[in-house]
Amino acid sequence: DAKTTQPPSMDCAEGRAANLPCNHSTISGNEYVYWYRQIHSQGPQYIIHGLKNNETNEMASLIITEDRKSSTLILPHATLRDTAVYYCIVRLMEYGNKLVFGAGTILRVKS
Amino acid sequence: DAGVTQSPTHLIKTRGQQVTLRCSPKSGHDTVSWYQQALGQGPQFIFQYYEEEERQRGNFPDRFSGHQFPNYSSELNVNALLLGDSALYLCASSPTGGYDEKLFFGSGTQLSVL
Repeated sequence: DAKTTQPPSMDCAEGRAANLPCNHSTISGNEYVYWYRQIHSQGPQYIIHGLKNNETNEMASLIITEDRKSSTLILPHATLRDTAVYYCIVRLMEYGNKLVFGAGTILRVKS
Repeated sequence: DAGVTQSPTHLIKTRGQQVTLRCSPKSGHDTVSWYQQALGQGPQFIFQYYEEEERQRGNFPDRFSGHQFPNYSSELNVNALLLGDSALYLCASSPTGGYDEKLFFGSGTQLSVL
């Protein structure tokens, strides 16, 4: 079973920041938080990951709470092309390529 | 640089038949994993191949088997197809035996079992 809880859907206005929450209250100290997204008819796409510190890359920012029990993915300026299912995953590196996906959050960006 | 490529893109089979799906990993990647994604659900891990051996396996029956070739490409075989095997089958690859940060996915093979 997935170790994360996400809202089933969210809406965001184009050009505004999209903030996607994720709860992972049972995360262990050596598990990373990963975010992937899946646009319709495509495979999942890696977005960002982190362990303790906040992370930022060209796609998004990841904010992890100090107790690591929850995190937020931030898309700073959402576009229509960001409409997708967003998956929050906790991953133990020793598990290799085994990712446990939940149902994810459907983000709809509207003009 | 081609990413992860899968073939065929779509496939229709009938119950009881056997199917083979193919995957070529991203250049430089040596580890391949397969996932099954039923409609409206997240992908589920089937198994992972590295150095031509199955290294990890998810909760799937023995009807699901695989193979990895010396060039790192991989096949997923499903025997005795059931209606419930209808799904999008995704292949993912990574370098360094699967312990890299990022996993790259192909666009999948849509299998319909009638």
